[in-house]
Amino acid sequence: QVQLQESGPGLVKPSETLSLTCTVSGDSFSTSYWSWIRQPPGKGLEWLGYVYYTGSTNYNPSLKSRVTMSVDTSKNQFSLKLSSVTAADTAVYYCAREGRSGSYAYFDYWGQGTLVTVSS
Amino acid sequence: DIQMTQSPSSLSASVGDRVTLTCRASQSISSYLNWYQQTPGKAPKLLIYATSSLQSGVPSRFTGSGSGTDFTLTISSLQPEDFATYFCQQGYGTRAFGQGTKVEI
Repeated sequence: QVQLQESGPGLVKPSETLSLTCTVSGDSFSTSYWSWIRQPPGKGLEWLGYVYYTGSTNYNPSLKSRVTMSVDTSKNQFSLKLSSVTAADTAVYYCAREGRSGSYAYFDYWGQGTLVTVSS
Repeated sequence: DIQMTQSPSSLSASVGDRVTLTCRASQSISSYLNWYQQTPGKAPKLLIYATSSLQSGVPSRFTGSGSGTDFTLTISSLQPEDFATYFCQQGYGTRAFGQGTKVEI
């Protein structure tokens, strides 16, 4: 069983950088792809990107210029940094594992989510 | 980018009803389509992956079908715990979700 837990500030000022960490428990950290997904209040889901345990990344092109993801395999953690935030970045941020079955990929384990509000 | 469109955006149903939700991709995604269920205040839960494969632990009343651009999620007999919002997601290239279908009483 894989468990994920997000942590980080719940309030970020406009123009600053949002930083979140996801801590993973279970034995799949070094074999999996790890994603960040967000959901503005009352709206749908947006995939931000994933990071592999090797550090390789794949970002959503719509946010690529502002997103950085990294891993710390010694702590079973991966992180998200989103720069130059505005009110439009206010959302519940989820970390999730991207499971694989052959060429198929899907989000099979999720954190509980953490609300990040962008406001001065 | 591939856009995902779900219909309807919401529907009203009763316990025991057969319910069919639709998801359409803006271009072919073969069978790279997943379905999730989300209840208020909770993270989404994977129901079906690769169009029709049932995730472990998910009741068999949930079935998925389709290919290319048109996909459906069917709930054969709606249960009280099934009142939720359902999202489709394409896993072909840049991952993207549909806007959701809310199933309510």
